Amino acid sequence: EDQVTQSPEALRLQEGESSSLNCSYTVSGLRGLFWYRQDPGKGPEFLFTLYSAGEEKEKERLKATLTKKESFLHITAPKPEDSATYLCAVQDGRSASKIIFGSGTRLSIRP
Amino acid sequence: GAVVSQHPSWVICKSGTSVKIECRSLDFQATTMFWYRQFPKQSLMLMATSNEGSKATYEQGVEKDKFLINHASLTLSTLTVTSAHPEDSSFYICSAAGLDRGTEAFFGQGTRLTVV
Repeated sequence: EDQVTQSPEALRLQEGESSSLNCSYTVSGLRGLFWYRQDPGKGPEFLFTLYSAGEEKEKERLKATLTKKESFLHITAPKPEDSATYLCAVQDGRSASKIIFGSGTRLSIRP
Repeated sequence: GAVVSQHPSWVICKSGTSVKIECRSLDFQATTMFWYRQFPKQSLMLMATSNEGSKATYEQGVEKDKFLINHASLTLSTLTVTSAHPEDSSFYICSAAGLDRGTEAFFGQGTRLTVV
C-alpha cells in the first residue's frame, strides 16, 4: 500500500533560519513526487514535481530534492510569508493517476 | 500554472438537503479529476477519481450513493453531497490533471461546506 509520511508535523523557525522538511514514501513505481503549499482555508498551490532519484528543483528560497525513499524540501533564509503547511504527495505508476498526500508540515516563521 | 476554479467557495445548507460543488479547468482539458476532503489540521483524503466520460472510482469507505460525482466534459466535474448531515461538514477540494499538463494536478480553491 502506498504511504507518504512527512516530518516534522510542525516546525517553528526564526526569520532567516534555514531548515529542511522531510517526506518519506513507499510506492510501487514512482511516477512523480509533488510538493504543494497550502494556506489556511485555501486549496494547495503547486510548487514542484520530481520524477527520479537525484533530481533537484529550486524556486526562490525553496529547493526540493529526491532520493529513492524520501524527498526533502529545503528552505533557505525563510521569511514570515513562507509560513504555511507544506504537503508532499506521490503518484503511483501502477494506478496511473492516483495521488496520495502526506499529512503535511505546518511551518511557522517568526519575524 | 494551470487554473482550476471551484464553486462555491463556501456553502451552508440544512440537514437533509443536497449540495452541488463544481470544479472547472479553465485553461486546459482535464482528463482526470480528483475530489478530496480535508478536516481541520489534517491532510487531504482522496475520495474519488473520475475520468471524463466514465464512472468515478471511489476510495474505500466513501459512499458512492452519498457523494455523486459527474465528469461529463473535459472541463467540468461536479460533486453532489446528497442528504447532507452535520458530519459531512468539511472542506472539499478538487484537482484536475490533463494530458498536456504533465503528471501534476492543479487544485481548486476549495469549498467549505457547513451542514446545520
